[in-house]
Order: sequence, then C-alpha cells, then structure tokens
Amino acid sequence: SAVISQKPSRDICQRGTSLTIQCQVDSQVTMMFWYRQQPGQSLTLIATANQGSEATYESGFVIDKFPISRPNLTFSTLTVSNMSPEDSSIYLCSVPPEGDTQYFGPGTRLTVL
Amino acid sequence: QKEVEQNSGPLSVPEGAIASLNCTYSDRGSQSFFWYRQYSGKSPELIMSIYSNGDKEDGRFTAQLNKASQYVSLLIRDSQPSDSATYLCAVNDFGNEKLTFGTGTRLTIIP
Repeated sequence: SAVISQKPSRDICQRGTSLTIQCQVDSQVTMMFWYRQQPGQSLTLIATANQGSEATYESGFVIDKFPISRPNLTFSTLTVSNMSPEDSSIYLCSVPPEGDTQYFGPGTRLTVL
Repeated sequence: QKEVEQNSGPLSVPEGAIASLNCTYSDRGSQSFFWYRQYSGKSPELIMSIYSNGDKEDGRFTAQLNKASQYVSLLIRDSQPSDSATYLCAVNDFGNEKLTFGTGTRLTIIP
C-alpha cells in the first residue's frame, strides 16, 4: 500500500482565516481524494484531485471554499477558506492503490475558534 | 443518493466472544465492499474487502456479502480489547474509486 503523509497533523485557527493542508504520497497516483470527518460523524468525500485538471467536487462542496491543487502525481493540497467553527473536522487525503481499495493518510485535525 | 446504513451502537461484546457488525446499502449497482477500523483520533485502516457473494475469512475476521439482500457484515471471532474501535462500512461501484461510508458502529470489547 502507498505511504501517505499529511501536514499539519493538527491546527487551531481563528474564524475567517484559511488553512492549507498538504498531502504527500510515496508513489505516483492518478487520483487523490479529500475527505472530511466531522466530530462523531463518518467520512464524507469533498473532492477528487486529478493531476493536470481541475478537481471534481461532490455535492455540497465548492471550489471557492475548498480550493485544491494537484501539481504532480505525488502531491496535493486542500485549502479550507474563510473558516468558521463548522469547519472543525478531521481532513483526510486518500489514494487508491493497485485495485480499488483506498488507504488513508493520518489526517489533519482542524479546530476553528 | 447512495446510502450506507449501520447501527451506530455502541455494541458491547465480552472478550473472547464473537462480535457481529452489520451494514446495508441502497445502491444495487455497488460492486465493492470494505470494512475499515478507526481508533479514536486516528485515520481509518482497511480490515477487509469483499467483492463476491459469500464469506471471506482473514484471521479472526470474516466478511459476509449478500448482494440480493444488499447487506454486508463483519464477524470478529475471539474478540480482544484491542478490537474496541469504530467500524466503518464503505461501498463503491465497479470502476468508481469514490467510497460511500456508513456512519460507523462503535464496538467495545469488555474484558
């Protein structure tokens, strides 16, 4: 399975600010996924990041709020913009390895005050 | 809208007993089924994947799939305190790598 790292592992931010989360994979992958896990909830897919094209967002998520970059096949960033307390969540990046099973990075725990 | 349903629990099982976790899904087109374990404060880790009707065993874990009834289950034999975690069921379509997750079942193994 791919080894996935994320930075930062956690952060506490003020309302109205933005945070960029980085995801690094130790092998080249065509697709990277960004999930959100709100407190006590399950995982919800935010968007799929493809190298060389714009990210594809799921219903309820928009590019202005969650801009994503995918500059190469091993790296992606997710920005949480103009944050509010409702954005307090764990943000996880994920990649599909060979086959169709997904593995997850360690996550970024975000608290917005 | 695809839905994946799980009993949120908590489910309490004595150590050494069998823990049974259930999941139902709404989309008949779902092809791949996964069980993830998530410890508090950690990211999910894949335990089992199953694609065909029937049982799939891996150590103390057995996944069961019944596509006609649209349910998938996970059995944990000889439950250990270290099995205490939230178990997430996830499904996707053939050729679609996006996963839809259930809400998870919180399992507690009682020593």
